[in-house]
Amino acid sequence: DAMVIQNPRYQVTQFGKPVTLSCSQTLNHNVMYWYQQKSSQAPKLLFHYYDKDFNNEADTPDNFQSRRPNTSFCFLDIRSPGLGDAAMYLCATSRAGGYGYTFGSGTRLTVV
Amino acid sequence: KNQVEQSPQSLIILEGKNCTLQCNYTVSPFSNLRWYKQDTGRGPVSLTIMTFSENTKSNGRYTATLDADTKQSSLHITASQLSDSASYICVVTLYSGGGADGLTFGKGTHLIIQP
Repeated sequence: DAMVIQNPRYQVTQFGKPVTLSCSQTLNHNVMYWYQQKSSQAPKLLFHYYDKDFNNEADTPDNFQSRRPNTSFCFLDIRSPGLGDAAMYLCATSRAGGYGYTFGSGTRLTVV
Repeated sequence: KNQVEQSPQSLIILEGKNCTLQCNYTVSPFSNLRWYKQDTGRGPVSLTIMTFSENTKSNGRYTATLDADTKQSSLHITASQLSDSASYICVVTLYSGGGADGLTFGKGTHLIIQP
């Protein structure tokens, strides 16, 4: 089945130690998004790629970076995780115009 | 400011009963409205998506309605099951003329089904 896959489901990292979360898709969608969702809150958009074009949200901290080496893969890099970065990180994809919006199952990040 | 308000914040009902969740939005220009089900520790799963010309959309025991004039939507769950326990999120898409549309999320309604 075509889908959006996030690995790992759970990630524990040390305070200040760089960590990378991965997302892959078999939908061949143009757009890939990264969201941060903290407990009992709505997901917050961090950035998205429209094909190779990177679009950062104005309030996304510099600590968060992203890479999209090809259509299928997108990575979220947290350069120096703080305790406040502990959250669920959701990857989503869509076609141009937001059609076919599909979420991955998420990666739960714990910072110790 | 584009906003999506959901009510109630949380709801507890007995298994087998029906319930209705509400969503009011101020997003403009409007493209579509989606209802998602999010189990604890999981990503959102799409239930329905409606454009401004659609008044109702069903997916099994889930029926969504949309009134684009009053900017209100509802999600009705019929004959609830224990597996319906989850957060239900209303998401409104901003029309951006073919670009990477922005989504505005509601905070969700946390539904608990009790046996």
